[in-house]
Amino acid sequence: GDSVTQMEGPVTLSEEAFLTINCTYTATGYPSLFWYVQYPGEGLQLLLKATKADDKGSNKGFEATYRKETTSFHLEKGSVQVSDSAVYFCALAGAGNNRKLIWGLGTSLAVNP
Amino acid sequence: EAGVTQFPSHSVIEKGQTVTLRCDPISGHDNLYWYRRVMGKEIKFLLHFVKESKQDESGMPNNRFLAERTGGTYSTLKVQPAELEDSGVYFCASSQERMHEQFFGPGTRLTVL
Repeated sequence: GDSVTQMEGPVTLSEEAFLTINCTYTATGYPSLFWYVQYPGEGLQLLLKATKADDKGSNKGFEATYRKETTSFHLEKGSVQVSDSAVYFCALAGAGNNRKLIWGLGTSLAVNP
Repeated sequence: EAGVTQFPSHSVIEKGQTVTLRCDPISGHDNLYWYRRVMGKEIKFLLHFVKESKQDESGMPNNRFLAERTGGTYSTLKVQPAELEDSGVYFCASSQERMHEQFFGPGTRLTVL
């Protein structure tokens, strides 16, 4: 079945450092790919998405490119801030009718000033 | 516009007891999803409603779990009797159309002692 493998954390960075969180997937057909973020004490929020190969999703300085050839959707940010401290989840929605999300384990990010 | 709300935010019960979780989706959203995250594991899909109909309940762990969505508005997820392994965070999400973004509630943290 479909699956998502996500880089394990926790990740600790200093402010203004470069961030990469790796995500690879296994899926039949052409899934849509997502990054969700959960800030402390809050619910899951969609950070960015890509629906087809070579699409680049971007939001709040974060980017991820849908790479079909490497089945990857790595999350990157050039300069992290303390406010980016959160748990990041990679997910896919398969081609099925209900669009249920298949999730990675989540990566906890702590950014120190 | 109000977001997805869940009640309670936290529930602590003893093994063998019954607990009912509630989710109020965004008004007008026909699609409602339940997910669960057990500690240390990935978020897992439980089931999907379209209005009051169950479209996919393939993720429900066993028959101790019962989900309803009477009238196609709010949904309840009942666990009876609760077991230790049911502990986790239960998320609800809603979307207007199947292909649209899923908006998540803050989750209900269930602890079974």
